[in-house]
Amino acid sequence: DTAVSQTPKYLVTQMGNDKSIKCEQNLGHDTMYWYKQDSKKFLKIMFSYNNKELIINETVPNRFSPKSPDKAHLNLHINSLELGDSAVYFCASSQPRGGPSGELFFGEGSRLTVL
Amino acid sequence: GEDVEQSLFLSVREGDSSVINCTYTDSSSTYLYWYKQEPGAGLQLLTYIFSNMDMKQDQRLTVLLNKKDKHLSLRIADTQTGDSAIYFCAESVSGNTGKLIFGQGTTLQVKP
Repeated sequence: DTAVSQTPKYLVTQMGNDKSIKCEQNLGHDTMYWYKQDSKKFLKIMFSYNNKELIINETVPNRFSPKSPDKAHLNLHINSLELGDSAVYFCASSQPRGGPSGELFFGEGSRLTVL
Repeated sequence: GEDVEQSLFLSVREGDSSVINCTYTDSSSTYLYWYKQEPGAGLQLLTYIFSNMDMKQDQRLTVLLNKKDKHLSLRIADTQTGDSAIYFCAESVSGNTGKLIFGQGTTLQVKP
């Protein structure tokens, strides 16, 4: 029973298209995150929601729009895809705002390739 | 600013000890972490240390923290081929947001 699940796992698309990645967690966590891992494995936070409220919004182009319909789901929509958007996008969740230990639980990642 | 740095690659022989090093900049970090990423998978927490501790041992893993030098290390005793993965050091950021800053990851290669 997967704790943090993302779909799709792989996404290949053309420049200029719009695409979405979905994430769901069944851990009962209040906080969810989107991280981007580039080709050099560098992992950087993009957004975080706590109980449907946006609490972290890093310097990310406004082509990226997160949406949290409820605290168990955090989706990422990307408009007008560019070559530089190619990366692995990881969803994660945690106890509220990181909880006592700050442990993040990660999904398996969604590999986006923009041609 | 917030920054975490690690060496990119480490190669060891099976049965040897591995030591992965990390430096960080945020002296107010409450916790420091080691995550493991296996190929095609997400990151998984290996261990963490509270900032007022110097050392933490968990089976084959030993974490050492030098707060003065802002240096964190992970020692894996009796390294096995199954330990081959990318290891990420991370620090918590003050502000009660749950945000973690990750290093760029150290690829550990274990040769039989």
